[in-house]
Amino acid sequence: KNEVEQSPQNLTAQEGEFITINCSYSVGISALHWLQQHPGGGIVSLFMLSSGKKKHGRLIATINIQEKHSSLHITASHPRDSAVYICAVRENYGGSQGNLIFGKGTKLSVKP
Amino acid sequence: DSGVTQTPKHLITATGQRVTLRCSPRSGDLSVYWYQQSLDQGLQFLIQYYNGEERAKGNILERFSAQQFPDLHSELNLSSLELGDSALYFCASSVAIGQPQHFGDGTRLSIL
Repeated sequence: KNEVEQSPQNLTAQEGEFITINCSYSVGISALHWLQQHPGGGIVSLFMLSSGKKKHGRLIATINIQEKHSSLHITASHPRDSAVYICAVRENYGGSQGNLIFGKGTKLSVKP
Repeated sequence: DSGVTQTPKHLITATGQRVTLRCSPRSGDLSVYWYQQSLDQGLQFLIQYYNGEERAKGNILERFSAQQFPDLHSELNLSSLELGDSALYFCASSVAIGQPQHFGDGTRLSIL
């Protein structure tokens, strides 16, 4: 079993739809990252969070530490949001910083 | 533009060869990370440096090595290349360990 699971693997939406991507993990973590990878390959860090909720423009990320679950929401989706969204967790080794463990990504396609 | 520069963007070489990938971190960032992204494995952490010292090792093969120089740029050396080493290699940097990472555009390595 992968330590970081994302769902769905693929997602197709119509422009304007509200989108949710889920991430579940099985290890203790110090932080969770959401990354966006565009078709050209470049990776952009969207959020780093360890508790609660963060918002940036139309993107919202939430995390529930007790349930070991995070969601990434996109409101009023747009074709330019089409990308692969990757969840990554930083494992917590008894207080020391572990390395990033990545999910396999969710491929989002937003149709006009 | 993340401020992280990776060269070259593309590299085509043959099995058994040796290549060097270069990364210049964002100005002021002391920590450099190397990642490999292959089609079947997804993103995997390879190695991390902080201010010239190796801090963490992930799934890095013995044929691979890296270093961070006094000017903070880093190089990833891949030797005795195999077909399976074909992948995108990303460098990322952060101000300190555990802080948000900024990714370069990657080097696409193709082994023929």
